Amino acid sequence: DTEVTQTPKHLVMGMTNKKSLKCEQHMGHRAMYWYKQKAKKPPELMFVYSYEKLSINESVPSRFSPECPNSSLLNLHLHALQPEDSALYLCASSHSQGAFGYTFGSGTRLTVV
Amino acid sequence: SQQGEEDPQALSIQEGENATMNCSYKTSINNLQWYRQNSGRGLVHLILIRSNEREKHSGRLRVTLDTSKKSSSLLITASRAADTASYFCATPLYGNNRLAFGKGNQVVVIP
Repeated sequence: DTEVTQTPKHLVMGMTNKKSLKCEQHMGHRAMYWYKQKAKKPPELMFVYSYEKLSINESVPSRFSPECPNSSLLNLHLHALQPEDSALYLCASSHSQGAFGYTFGSGTRLTVV
Repeated sequence: SQQGEEDPQALSIQEGENATMNCSYKTSINNLQWYRQNSGRGLVHLILIRSNEREKHSGRLRVTLDTSKKSSSLLITASRAADTASYFCATPLYGNNRLAFGKGNQVVVIP
């Protein structure tokens, strides 16, 4: 298995909702990432998990809460989002230190209404 | 954070032509990576070139790296309509777990 699987592919949520994005990989990668991408912009790093521990938080607002239940799963819990949080959310994984490149999922298109 | 800068931003070519895009970066790097993104979906890793390499090939792709100029180029030879996509260069910052992307090149291959 050489894929990163993200669910759901599309999500529409209200500003008072709580939802979660899910990401799964079975490549034995020990680093997993969440990126946010706005239209016509490059991806921007949000969080990095290394060996199931949060190692980098790029000053992301607390309405985004990451979780890494095990080495294969990564979640992003969403609560009280704003319309400007609408974006494509990308999960990625890599071998530790990312020295061989990253594998990205196909993303979750999030719309906050 | 952004590290790489690609030039040009948008490129429109006829099928069969070659497409070249450039990327510059600011800090010392261990490697530089190129990714393709189709229609705002996931990114696909194309090729990684290490700081001690000057050129690398993968199929129709040719990447060069000039660490003295802090720049890289991606050449796609004999382009196809399926090559229509956005292409990003990316470099690891502060170790390899913080990958920073350049602005991206939109390439349109006209059949």
